Amino acid sequence: EPEVTQTPSHQVTQMGQEVILRCVPISNHLYFYWYRQILGQKVEFLVSFYNNEISEKSEIFDDQFSVERPDGSNFTLKIRSTKLEDSAMYFCASSQGAGYTFGSGTRLTVV
Amino acid sequence: ILNVEQSPQSLHVQEGDSTNFTCSFPSSNFYALHWYRWETAKSPEALFVMTLNGDEKKKGRISATLNTKEGYSYLYIKGSQPEDSATYLCAFMSGNNRKLIWGLGTSLAVNP
Repeated sequence: EPEVTQTPSHQVTQMGQEVILRCVPISNHLYFYWYRQILGQKVEFLVSFYNNEISEKSEIFDDQFSVERPDGSNFTLKIRSTKLEDSAMYFCASSQGAGYTFGSGTRLTVV
Repeated sequence: ILNVEQSPQSLHVQEGDSTNFTCSFPSSNFYALHWYRWETAKSPEALFVMTLNGDEKKKGRISATLNTKEGYSYLYIKGSQPEDSATYLCAFMSGNNRKLIWGLGTSLAVNP
């Protein structure tokens, strides 16, 4: 069964550093997403991406965040200058129709 | 503001008990309602994607119903087993943009 893969599974970074979270969506899916879950809180929508551009972004997705699909297969989330409150599980997903497929997540710890 | 509520927040049952959880969601601009089973450090496991009012879906001992007019869905687990212990999340997908708006989940613990 096709999978969404995310790397790394766990990243520890110092406050103020840049991080790039990587995702390989399912190849024939057209919609791509990033979500995050801060421990103990609801899963939050960050951004959706369709047709090589951002289709919607949340208030969380400020100028510190960016997404790219650099080579037609990878889908990356970059945080330019990490803050302590960025510590969370970050999930990538892709979809076709009403169904979603999620990756296994990257646990980002900002220290 | 679109909000998805789940109840109860947590549930402890004995092996063999049957149980059910509730998800309430906005009744306007409905596209789909998703149920996921989520274990710590794993990706969400899709249980059901429900799109039609009155829909009932079943997967083994787990089933779900959907009422889009009043904005609720029930998830049922028949004869709970310890391996059913997990967090069960529902997520509402609106017709506008296909993003998921999530509930906080129901944490189920099944005691052997």
